[in-house]
Amino acid sequence: AQKVTQAQTEISVVEKEDVTLDCVYETRDTTYYLFWYKQPPSGELVFLIRRNSFDEQNEISGRYSWNFQKSTSSFNFTITASQVVDSAVYFCALSESYGSGGYQKVTFGIGTKLQVIP
Amino acid sequence: EAQVTQNPRYLITVTGKKLTVTCSQNMNHEYMSWYRQDPGLGLRQIYYSMNVEVTDKGDVPEGYKVSRKEKRNFPLILESPSPNQTSLYFCASSRQGQGIPYEQYFGPGTRLTVT
Repeated sequence: AQKVTQAQTEISVVEKEDVTLDCVYETRDTTYYLFWYKQPPSGELVFLIRRNSFDEQNEISGRYSWNFQKSTSSFNFTITASQVVDSAVYFCALSESYGSGGYQKVTFGIGTKLQVIP
Repeated sequence: EAQVTQNPRYLITVTGKKLTVTCSQNMNHEYMSWYRQDPGLGLRQIYYSMNVEVTDKGDVPEGYKVSRKEKRNFPLILESPSPNQTSLYFCASSRQGQGIPYEQYFGPGTRLTVT
């Protein structure tokens, strides 16, 4: 069964500090997809990134960067120079295909609550 | 505007009274899914649908039913709600390409309280 572990339940940083949110996953499949979503205090869920299991290149988008390492089954998310607007709950998710119809079950981690203190 | 809508947004009901939470998307997405969010447990998938008339169980399907008769709609049915189904529910949709999952678009959430 697939599993996603976000061991950090809550993190507090001071504005402008860098912060890394950890995500460790378990899967038996060789083909899978990983995602990060953000849930700000307003409650909506917002997509941040998708990565497939064959693409181990790190990705940078502005102050956000992601480090995917298959060897350690990790997909960590770093925010550089954090800002108050980054305060949110961040979820890591794993999607696998199975069956002839390519069924897609999705497993989310429990989330990491990030508080950025001004 | 591309969106996923859910109704109602807030609902307080009593144990055993059947209810339906509606979900609709206007993006022609094949994939739709229901999640519940509980403190300390994150988001857990209840049911999902790959397309019309194709549904499958997620991790926590007990006590819930779904149907997908039209591509845009994916209602969640609680036949006999119980207090342990008090939760925040999210509907989501995404496009689907030959077994490849894409990012999900989420509805605003439905806060359900069962007394």
